[in-house]
Amino acid sequence: AQSVTQLDSQVPVFEEAPVELRCNYSSSVSVYLFWYVQYPNQGLQLLLKYLSGSTLVKGINGFEAEFNKSQTSFHLRKPSVHISDTAEYFCAVVRMNRDDKIIFGKGTRLHILP
Amino acid sequence: GAGVSQTPSNKVTEKGKYVELRCDPISGHTALYWYRQSLGQGPEFLIYFQGTGAADDSGLPNDRFFAVRPEGSVSTLKIQRTERGDSAVYLCASSLRLAGGYNEQFFGPGTRLTVL
Repeated sequence: AQSVTQLDSQVPVFEEAPVELRCNYSSSVSVYLFWYVQYPNQGLQLLLKYLSGSTLVKGINGFEAEFNKSQTSFHLRKPSVHISDTAEYFCAVVRMNRDDKIIFGKGTRLHILP
Repeated sequence: GAGVSQTPSNKVTEKGKYVELRCDPISGHTALYWYRQSLGQGPEFLIYFQGTGAADDSGLPNDRFFAVRPEGSVSTLKIQRTERGDSAVYLCASSLRLAGGYNEQFFGPGTRLTVL
């Protein structure tokens, strides 16, 4: 079975400051890794994904994440946040080479302070 | 093109009633998924269809929940004898299931179900 842990339920950060949202996963098989974003009153959007290759992946809106296999982590980072980044962020995994369910973490609410 | 659509966007019902939630996937997408997102939680998998058949229904919480996809396109999630604990946002996603590799799931806006 797979599981995803997002240790921080909320992260407050000042506008233009850097941010890191933490994600750790557990799986007995290889997985693909994802970050999704859910803006207030909107649906889920894929922010970025790691399938293979370079462990540093870049996504939309200036976000990036680094896959660390030894630490089973996939932390999300942005060097300078904007008020428009206010949203809920979900880390997720899918078993590799299987078209089946996405396992989501509980989410981290990013709160941008003016 | 059009994305995944879900109707209704909001549904309020009374405890014990029956409800149906509809999902229209992206045209041509053969795989369809249902998830449930309770307040303060991440989405949780309910059921996955490949074509008309349910390939994995391991996430359905009990036999009050049932889903169909009779023509391999539109899907309906059916909940009998609703309970207050069924209140959540029900999300639908679809993907173009190509052989091998990863196929992105595209999510609809969800149906917010409130059971009074």
